[in-house]
Amino acid sequence: GQQVMQIPQYQHVQEGEDFTTYCNSSTTLSNIQWYKQRPGGHPVFLIQLVKSGEVKKQKRLTFQFGEAKKNSSLHITATQTTDVGTYFCAGPRWDNAGNMLTFGGGTRLMVKP
Amino acid sequence: NAGVTQTPKFRVLKTGQSMTLLCAQDMNHEYMYWYRQDPGMGLRLIHYSVGEGTTAKGEVPDGYNVSRLKKQNFLLGLESAAPSQTSVYFCASSLVTNEQFFGPGTRLTVL
Repeated sequence: GQQVMQIPQYQHVQEGEDFTTYCNSSTTLSNIQWYKQRPGGHPVFLIQLVKSGEVKKQKRLTFQFGEAKKNSSLHITATQTTDVGTYFCAGPRWDNAGNMLTFGGGTRLMVKP
Repeated sequence: NAGVTQTPKFRVLKTGQSMTLLCAQDMNHEYMYWYRQDPGMGLRLIHYSVGEGTTAKGEVPDGYNVSRLKKQNFLLGLESAAPSQTSVYFCASSLVTNEQFFGPGTRLTVL
């Protein structure tokens, strides 16, 4: 079945350093979604990428969708303590019953002030 | 709008006890989902529903049952709780392939 993998699993950075997490799918995706979960909180949707090679920016966050639509990345420029949390990518899949998301294992970002 | 709400927020069960977790959404979403999240394991889909009266199995359905009698509610049942079901349970809803909106979670401990 479809697998979505993320690396690294954990990342410690000094405040102000950049951070990147990578997401790889075993199958071609129609789109990819990114979520952020703060410690003790619930996942919150950040963005959806649909087109091959698409790049989207949200302030200091840059999201890319690979040309083959099997990989994606999230880059944070000049991290801040407010960026702390776990970042998940997720790809849709369908079965006989309907549509669902397969989540990657997440990358936990820790920022030292 | 309250979005997605979950009841209860915390629960401690003894092995063999049963319980029902309630999820409610006020966004008129067709799709609803139940996930469990264990440390280092990400989010794993337990069951989901594509509309009122329908349910389907996800990745880890064993030991759980669900019902969707009303469009806005999705119930997750544990008939005989086991320590391996200690986890944080999240409910989510969505419009088909769109973003999923998550509830605040239920932290369940089975002793």
